[in-house]
Order: sequence, then C-alpha cells, then structure tokens
Amino acid sequence: RKEVEQDPGPFNVPEGATVAFNCTYSNSASQSFFWYRQDCRKEPKLLMSVYSSGNEDGRFTAQLNRASQYISLLIRDSKLSDSATYLCVVNRNNDMRFGAGTRLTVKP
Amino acid sequence: DAGVTQSPTHLIKTRGQQVTLRCSPKSGHDTVSWYQQALGQGPQFIFQYYEEEERQRGNFPDRFSGHQFPNYSSELNVNALLLGDSALYLCASSILSYEQYFGPGTRLTVT
Repeated sequence: RKEVEQDPGPFNVPEGATVAFNCTYSNSASQSFFWYRQDCRKEPKLLMSVYSSGNEDGRFTAQLNRASQYISLLIRDSKLSDSATYLCVVNRNNDMRFGAGTRLTVKP
Repeated sequence: DAGVTQSPTHLIKTRGQQVTLRCSPKSGHDTVSWYQQALGQGPQFIFQYYEEEERQRGNFPDRFSGHQFPNYSSELNVNALLLGDSALYLCASSILSYEQYFGPGTRLTVT
C-alpha cells in the first residue's frame, strides 16, 4: 500500500463548479500536511498547508481528519486557470511523501 | 528576491556515467531537499540536507549522494547511471522542515 494515496482522476468539470479531492495517508505519526499544484512540465507550487482545524484561502478549503488519516481539498467556483495536477503531501520527520496527484481539467 | 534555482535545465548522459546537479535555495532558507519525479508520478523524496549534513533519506540506493555547502546551496550526485534514473530532479528549499519551495528542476535523460 502506498503511504499517500490519491484518486488520480482525471476530474473534468465546467467553470464555476465545485470540486473536491481526497487523500489518505497510512502513517499515523505524520506531522504536517500540504497541498501543492503542478502544471504540466513545471515544478510543484505550494497551494496551502493543512491545519487540524481546517483552513481556507479564497476559493480553496483544506480539511484534515487525523483519526481517519484523511485530507481533503475543496475548490469552489472553478476557474480555467485551476486546471493542474493537485498533489497531497504528508511530512514525517523531515521526510515529505507525495501522492501521485489528482488531475483536474476545468472546461469553459 | 530570487527563488530556488537549479542547473542545468536539461542533461543527457549515458548508462554508467556520473552526473552532478546543482541547487541554490531561496534567500533565507537553510534546508534543501531533493526529489526524483518520473513521468506521471508524484515526486519521490531522495534526501534532505540541513547544516551541511544529510538529515533524512528516502529509499534510494547509495549511488545517490549529496552535499550542502556553507552558503546552503546543494549538489546531488548520481553514480553508475541506469536507464531508470531518467526523470525530473527537483530541489526544494525551506526554513527547517516547514513549507518547501521548488526549483524548476533538471530533466535528466539516460541513454
């Protein structure tokens, strides 16, 4: 079993839609959590850290459930520019483990 | 303020050769991590350097080694290259182990 698992998608949604991505992790000792986005043939860019109480940044909301070892990302009012691969990242003792990513395409 | 920079951008090597990749961290960052990303996969953690020492290592063989210099820049060395080493090599910098910022990567092709 992979340490960080994501639904690979692809998710194809119309502009303005709300879309949610899920991620599960296997190591309960994981300490910190992040979402990154990666455009085709580019480097990953930090989207947001994920806090236990949940956090929001504009149209993006991240949630963490430590008991279920589950992380989510919600994107509201999708824009064409949101099209990318979204990577879930789990950190334990300075070892960052990435999921394989979920591909999102937002269509006009 | 320059972000994370990596060199070279692209590299082609032959099986059995050795390669050195370079990374300069974002200003103010003291920690450098290296990742290997194969096509269609997420980045795989190779190792992390802090205070010129390897602090953590992923599941990579000893052919992969690194170094961090006093100015926090870093090198990744890969010996005895295999075809399977072809990938995008990403460097990320951070302050300790907080949010990491990635460089544009070096695309290595082994033939």
